[in-house]
Amino acid sequence: SQQGEEDPQALSIQEGENATMNCSYKTSINNLQWYRQNSGRGLVHLILIRSNEREKHSGRLRVTLDTSKKSSSLLITASRAADTASYFCATDLTGSARQLTFGSGTQLTVLP
Amino acid sequence: KAGVTQTPRYLIKTRGQQVTLSCSPISGHRSVSWYQQTPGQGLQFLFEYFSETQRNKGNFPGRFSGRQFSNSRSEMNVSTLELGDSALYLCASSQGQGGTGELFFGEGSRLTVL
Repeated sequence: SQQGEEDPQALSIQEGENATMNCSYKTSINNLQWYRQNSGRGLVHLILIRSNEREKHSGRLRVTLDTSKKSSSLLITASRAADTASYFCATDLTGSARQLTFGSGTQLTVLP
Repeated sequence: KAGVTQTPRYLIKTRGQQVTLSCSPISGHRSVSWYQQTPGQGLQFLFEYFSETQRNKGNFPGRFSGRQFSNSRSEMNVSTLELGDSALYLCASSQGQGGTGELFFGEGSRLTVL
């Protein structure tokens, strides 16, 4: 079963707008990662944030982590049609960096 | 550097059959993990191999098994297929020790059980 919950489940925005998706998890973690998946394809790693970090940036991506609330958010600024995909958060709940527990995902649609 | 290669990409089986999926990790990566993705259960961890040893196993029945070879290539096998085994099976590779913690995924093998 999935340990993480993401919201919203689906998000539709116009090109140029910002997209924010949230992830909550249940137990302590070492790090939290965000992945993107285009329809039916493999997952692509976007960003990793460690439990002792509060915010991290990578290009148009900004990730925050609040370990007291066991939540994270992913902000994509100035969205493009090519950003249309499903976005998943993943945590290493068991302490193993390679045994990830994925959230339910947010389906982002960016309209041109 | 070539990415993670999974074969076959698509396959159709009938209930009761068995299937073997293959994964070639990125050169130099010694860890291979397998995940099952279904619309109902989402992405679920199956198992992880490092240097030919299974290090972690998810909550799946014994019909699901895997192995890793000395060249780090990995196979997973599902025996006595059930309709519910229809899924996208994703393989991911990583360095296994140290590294960034990032997993590199293949494009997946889509299994349909009829």
